[in-house]
Amino acid sequence: GAVVSQHPSWVICKSGTSVKIECRSLDFQATTMFWYRQFPKQSLMLMATSNEGSKATYEQGVEKDKFLINHASLTLSTLTVTSAHPEDSSFYICSVEGFTEAFFGQGTRLTVV
Amino acid sequence: KNQVEQSPQSLIILEGKNCTLQCNYTVSPFSNLRWYKQDTGRGPVSLTIMTFSENTKSNGRYTATLDADTKQSSLHITASQLSDSASYICVVSEDTNAGKSTFGDGTTLTVKP
Repeated sequence: GAVVSQHPSWVICKSGTSVKIECRSLDFQATTMFWYRQFPKQSLMLMATSNEGSKATYEQGVEKDKFLINHASLTLSTLTVTSAHPEDSSFYICSVEGFTEAFFGQGTRLTVV
Repeated sequence: KNQVEQSPQSLIILEGKNCTLQCNYTVSPFSNLRWYKQDTGRGPVSLTIMTFSENTKSNGRYTATLDADTKQSSLHITASQLSDSASYICVVSEDTNAGKSTFGDGTTLTVKP
């Protein structure tokens, strides 16, 4: 199956700064990648669909200007949390869809202090 | 609205015992149903994938069943081990061009010695 690498695995940043999270598909060319957010003891919530070479598609309620997504190549998508605030602290996970299943990155634990 | 409901929300069992997790869905048209295991602080890992024509699939000590008529699935874990402690997520995908996936809230399993 596809291997999806996410970096960093954890990050602590100050309130008001921006944080970039990378998602790489190591052995699978992905025209589409998905970004999820997961709060403690809750399931994954789809934030946006990252489309290679075009704009991302955001789920309702997700601020596109706050969560910037760039999918510049078939193997890399980035999520930038801009002007982060403590309420943005969460677990962020990316995924790549294979023919019948999704392959997830290891996740990034973001803590905004 | 497509929904995926999992039960129980949480479960505690003793090491060596068996358990069964449930997943009911209303997703239509149905494409596939997947069970994932998510360890705390990690991305989900695929356990089983079933399409409409499959009613059972095993992966080691994990056996998933699917009844497409009643729209129910179960994940049976045999001879549980401490390492089985995790969240188990049921995901159902639509058979459309978008192929949207709907996530269940997960069942948190704790295996105690």
